[in-house]
Amino acid sequence: DAGITQSPRHKVTETGTPVTLRCHQTENHRYMYWYRQDPGHGLRLIHYSYGVKDTDKGEVSDGYSVSRSKTEDFLLTLESATSSQTSVYFCAISSSGGAGDTQYFGPGTRLTVL
Amino acid sequence: SQQGEEDPQALSIQEGENATMNCSYKTSINNLQWYRQNSGRGLVHLILIRSNEREKHSGRLRVTLDTSKKSSSLLITASRAADTASYFCATDASGSRLTFGEGTQLTVNP
Repeated sequence: DAGITQSPRHKVTETGTPVTLRCHQTENHRYMYWYRQDPGHGLRLIHYSYGVKDTDKGEVSDGYSVSRSKTEDFLLTLESATSSQTSVYFCAISSSGGAGDTQYFGPGTRLTVL
Repeated sequence: SQQGEEDPQALSIQEGENATMNCSYKTSINNLQWYRQNSGRGLVHLILIRSNEREKHSGRLRVTLDTSKKSSSLLITASRAADTASYFCATDASGSRLTFGEGTQLTVNP
Protein backbone atom coordinates (compact mmCIF):
# COMPACT_ATOMS: atom_id res chain seq x y z
CA ASP A 1 0.00 0.00 0.00
CA ALA A 2 2.75 2.44 -1.03
CA GLY A 3 4.02 3.23 2.48
CA ILE A 4 0.68 4.32 3.87
CA THR A 5 -0.74 3.04 7.13
CA GLN A 6 -4.01 3.81 8.79
CA SER A 7 -4.89 3.35 12.43
CA PRO A 8 -6.98 1.95 13.83
CA ARG A 9 -8.07 -0.51 11.15
CA HIS A 10 -11.37 -1.20 12.87
CA LYS A 11 -13.24 0.81 15.47
CA VAL A 12 -16.64 0.56 17.11
CA THR A 13 -17.80 3.58 19.03
CA GLU A 14 -20.96 5.11 20.41
CA THR A 15 -22.93 8.09 19.17
CA GLY A 16 -21.64 11.35 20.59
CA THR A 17 -18.09 10.23 21.28
CA PRO A 18 -15.07 11.83 19.62
CA VAL A 19 -13.06 9.70 17.23
CA THR A 20 -9.67 10.33 15.61
CA LEU A 21 -8.34 8.36 12.69
CA ARG A 22 -4.69 8.55 11.75
CA CYS A 23 -3.00 8.31 8.38
CA HIS A 24 0.76 7.94 8.28
CA GLN A 25 2.93 7.97 5.14
CA THR A 26 6.59 7.30 4.57
CA GLU A 27 6.68 8.61 0.98
CA ASN A 28 7.15 12.31 1.81
CA HIS A 29 4.24 13.16 -0.50
CA ARG A 30 2.87 16.66 -0.25
CA TYR A 31 -0.82 15.91 -0.74
CA MET A 32 -2.93 13.78 1.59
CA TYR A 33 -6.66 13.01 1.35
CA TRP A 34 -9.42 11.52 3.45
CA TYR A 35 -12.30 9.73 1.71
CA ARG A 36 -15.27 7.80 2.93
CA GLN A 37 -16.71 4.86 1.01
CA ASP A 38 -20.35 3.89 1.30
CA PRO A 39 -22.52 1.54 -0.77
CA GLY A 40 -24.24 3.46 -3.55
CA HIS A 41 -21.96 6.48 -3.20
CA GLY A 42 -18.51 5.31 -4.20
CA LEU A 43 -15.66 7.31 -2.70
CA ARG A 44 -16.36 10.83 -1.52
CA LEU A 45 -13.71 13.33 -0.51
CA ILE A 46 -13.97 14.62 3.07
CA HIS A 47 -10.91 16.86 3.42
CA TYR A 48 -7.50 17.10 1.88
CA SER A 49 -4.15 18.69 2.69
CA TYR A 50 -1.67 20.31 0.33
CA GLY A 51 1.05 20.82 2.93
CA VAL A 52 1.75 21.07 6.64
CA LYS A 53 -1.04 23.07 8.26
CA ASP A 54 -2.68 23.59 4.82
CA THR A 55 -6.04 21.88 4.47
CA ASP A 56 -9.25 22.33 2.52
CA LYS A 57 -12.74 20.92 2.51
CA GLY A 58 -14.02 18.26 0.21
CA GLU A 59 -17.47 17.19 -0.87
CA VAL A 60 -18.69 15.84 2.49
CA SER A 61 -16.79 17.78 5.17
CA ASP A 62 -19.63 18.52 7.62
CA GLY A 63 -19.01 16.84 10.98
CA TYR A 64 -15.31 16.26 10.27
CA SER A 65 -12.14 18.18 10.99
CA VAL A 66 -8.54 17.48 10.02
CA SER A 67 -5.07 18.43 11.10
CA ARG A 68 -1.64 18.07 9.60
CA SER A 69 1.22 19.10 11.86
CA LYS A 70 3.83 16.96 10.11
CA THR A 71 4.32 15.94 6.49
CA GLU A 72 3.83 12.28 7.33
CA ASP A 73 0.66 12.45 9.44
CA PHE A 74 -2.89 13.48 8.55
CA LEU A 75 -5.54 13.15 11.24
CA LEU A 76 -9.29 12.96 10.70
CA THR A 77 -11.46 13.80 13.71
CA LEU A 78 -15.15 13.21 14.22
CA GLU A 79 -15.90 15.63 17.06
CA SER A 80 -19.17 13.89 17.99
CA ALA A 81 -19.72 10.71 16.03
CA THR A 82 -23.14 9.99 14.53
CA SER A 83 -24.55 6.79 13.05
CA SER A 84 -24.44 8.39 9.59
CA GLN A 85 -20.66 8.45 9.90
CA THR A 86 -20.50 4.67 9.96
CA SER A 87 -18.36 3.98 6.91
CA VAL A 88 -15.02 2.80 5.61
CA TYR A 89 -12.48 5.61 5.62
CA PHE A 90 -9.55 5.70 3.23
CA CYS A 91 -6.50 7.88 3.29
CA ALA A 92 -4.66 8.62 0.05
CA ILE A 93 -1.50 10.46 -0.90
CA SER A 94 -0.13 12.03 -4.04
CA SER A 95 3.13 13.73 -4.81
CA SER A 96 2.17 16.88 -6.68
CA GLY A 97 -1.62 17.05 -6.54
CA GLY A 98 -1.72 18.31 -10.07
CA ALA A 99 -3.96 17.16 -12.86
CA GLY A 100 -2.98 13.64 -13.78
CA ASP A 101 -1.28 12.85 -10.49
CA THR A 102 -1.86 9.30 -9.26
CA GLN A 103 -3.25 8.77 -5.79
CA TYR A 104 -2.03 5.94 -3.57
CA PHE A 105 -4.43 4.55 -1.03
CA GLY A 106 -4.09 3.15 2.44
CA PRO A 107 -5.79 -0.07 3.59
CA GLY A 108 -8.81 1.68 5.11
CA THR A 109 -10.42 2.02 8.54
CA ARG A 110 -13.82 0.47 9.15
CA LEU A 111 -15.73 2.66 11.62
CA THR A 112 -19.02 1.64 13.18
CA VAL A 113 -20.97 4.18 15.21
CA LEU A 114 -23.67 2.58 17.37
CA SER B 1 -23.78 13.83 -7.40
CA GLN B 2 -20.83 11.88 -8.70
CA GLN B 3 -18.85 13.24 -11.63
CA GLY B 4 -18.23 9.76 -12.95
CA GLU B 5 -20.77 6.99 -13.26
CA GLU B 6 -19.79 3.43 -14.14
CA ASP B 7 -21.89 1.03 -16.08
CA PRO B 8 -22.77 -1.73 -15.47
CA GLN B 9 -22.92 -1.78 -11.68
CA ALA B 10 -22.08 -5.47 -11.70
CA LEU B 11 -20.63 -7.82 -14.32
CA SER B 12 -20.12 -11.57 -14.12
CA ILE B 13 -18.10 -13.41 -16.77
CA GLN B 14 -16.17 -16.63 -17.27
CA GLU B 15 -12.41 -16.85 -17.11
CA GLY B 16 -10.88 -16.11 -20.51
CA GLU B 17 -13.66 -13.79 -21.62
CA ASN B 18 -13.24 -10.05 -22.08
CA ALA B 19 -14.78 -7.57 -19.64
CA THR B 20 -15.87 -4.09 -20.64
CA MET B 21 -16.80 -1.37 -18.18
CA ASN B 22 -17.97 2.12 -19.05
CA CYS B 23 -17.69 5.47 -17.33
CA SER B 24 -19.60 8.64 -18.10
CA TYR B 25 -18.86 12.03 -16.64
CA LYS B 26 -20.47 15.44 -16.67
CA THR B 27 -17.89 18.21 -16.96
CA SER B 28 -14.74 18.76 -19.00
CA ILE B 29 -11.70 16.95 -17.66
CA ASN B 30 -7.94 17.06 -17.86
CA ASN B 31 -7.43 13.35 -17.35
CA LEU B 32 -9.37 10.23 -16.48
CA GLN B 33 -7.99 7.44 -14.33
CA TRP B 34 -9.10 3.90 -13.60
CA TYR B 35 -8.56 2.23 -10.24
CA ARG B 36 -9.15 -1.30 -8.97
CA GLN B 37 -10.24 -2.27 -5.48
CA ASN B 38 -9.99 -5.81 -4.20
CA SER B 39 -12.39 -6.75 -1.44
CA GLY B 40 -11.38 -5.19 1.87
CA ARG B 41 -8.45 -3.31 0.39
CA GLY B 42 -7.60 0.20 -0.73
CA LEU B 43 -7.77 1.36 -4.34
CA VAL B 44 -4.90 0.69 -6.71
CA HIS B 45 -4.17 2.86 -9.74
CA LEU B 46 -4.41 1.04 -13.07
CA ILE B 47 -4.10 3.52 -15.89
CA LEU B 48 -4.44 7.21 -16.76
CA ILE B 49 -5.61 8.63 -20.06
CA ARG B 50 -5.22 12.31 -20.89
CA SER B 51 -7.95 14.37 -22.47
CA ASN B 52 -6.02 14.60 -25.76
CA GLU B 53 -5.63 10.81 -26.00
CA ARG B 54 -8.23 8.47 -27.48
CA GLU B 55 -6.85 5.08 -26.52
CA LYS B 56 -4.23 3.67 -24.19
CA HIS B 57 -2.98 0.16 -23.48
CA SER B 58 -1.30 -1.41 -20.47
CA GLY B 59 -0.84 -5.16 -20.56
CA ARG B 60 -4.32 -6.71 -20.78
CA LEU B 61 -5.98 -3.34 -20.18
CA ARG B 62 -7.27 -1.10 -22.92
CA VAL B 63 -8.82 2.27 -22.12
CA THR B 64 -10.63 4.53 -24.54
CA LEU B 65 -11.76 8.09 -24.05
CA ASP B 66 -14.37 9.99 -26.05
CA THR B 67 -14.43 13.57 -24.81
CA SER B 68 -17.26 14.50 -27.19
CA LYS B 69 -19.49 11.93 -25.46
CA LYS B 70 -17.87 12.46 -22.05
CA SER B 71 -17.31 8.75 -21.69
CA SER B 72 -14.54 6.22 -21.21
CA SER B 73 -14.35 2.45 -21.34
CA LEU B 74 -12.03 -0.05 -19.70
CA LEU B 75 -11.53 -3.38 -21.45
CA ILE B 76 -9.84 -6.27 -19.68
CA THR B 77 -8.92 -8.99 -22.14
CA ALA B 78 -8.56 -12.69 -21.36
CA SER B 79 -9.86 -12.20 -17.83
CA ARG B 80 -8.62 -14.23 -14.89
CA ALA B 81 -10.18 -15.08 -11.54
CA ALA B 82 -7.66 -12.67 -9.97
CA ASP B 83 -9.29 -9.81 -11.90
CA THR B 84 -12.33 -10.12 -9.64
CA ALA B 85 -12.59 -6.70 -8.01
CA SER B 86 -14.41 -3.39 -8.15
CA TYR B 87 -13.28 -0.95 -10.82
CA PHE B 88 -13.63 2.81 -10.48
CA CYS B 89 -13.12 5.68 -12.86
CA ALA B 90 -11.90 8.99 -11.48
CA THR B 91 -11.83 12.39 -13.11
CA ASP B 92 -9.82 15.45 -12.16
CA ALA B 93 -11.97 18.33 -13.29
CA SER B 94 -11.05 20.03 -10.01
CA GLY B 95 -7.25 19.88 -10.27
CA SER B 96 -5.88 17.98 -7.28
CA ARG B 97 -9.27 16.65 -6.30
CA LEU B 98 -10.32 13.41 -7.95
CA THR B 99 -14.00 12.57 -8.24
CA PHE B 100 -14.77 8.85 -8.24
CA GLY B 101 -17.70 6.99 -9.69
CA GLU B 102 -19.60 4.32 -7.79
CA GLY B 103 -17.72 1.48 -9.41
CA THR B 104 -18.38 -1.70 -11.36
CA GLN B 105 -18.15 -4.98 -9.45
CA LEU B 106 -16.50 -7.54 -11.74
CA THR B 107 -16.69 -11.23 -10.94
CA VAL B 108 -14.62 -13.63 -13.02
CA ASN B 109 -15.74 -17.21 -12.57
CA PRO B 110 -13.13 -19.97 -12.92
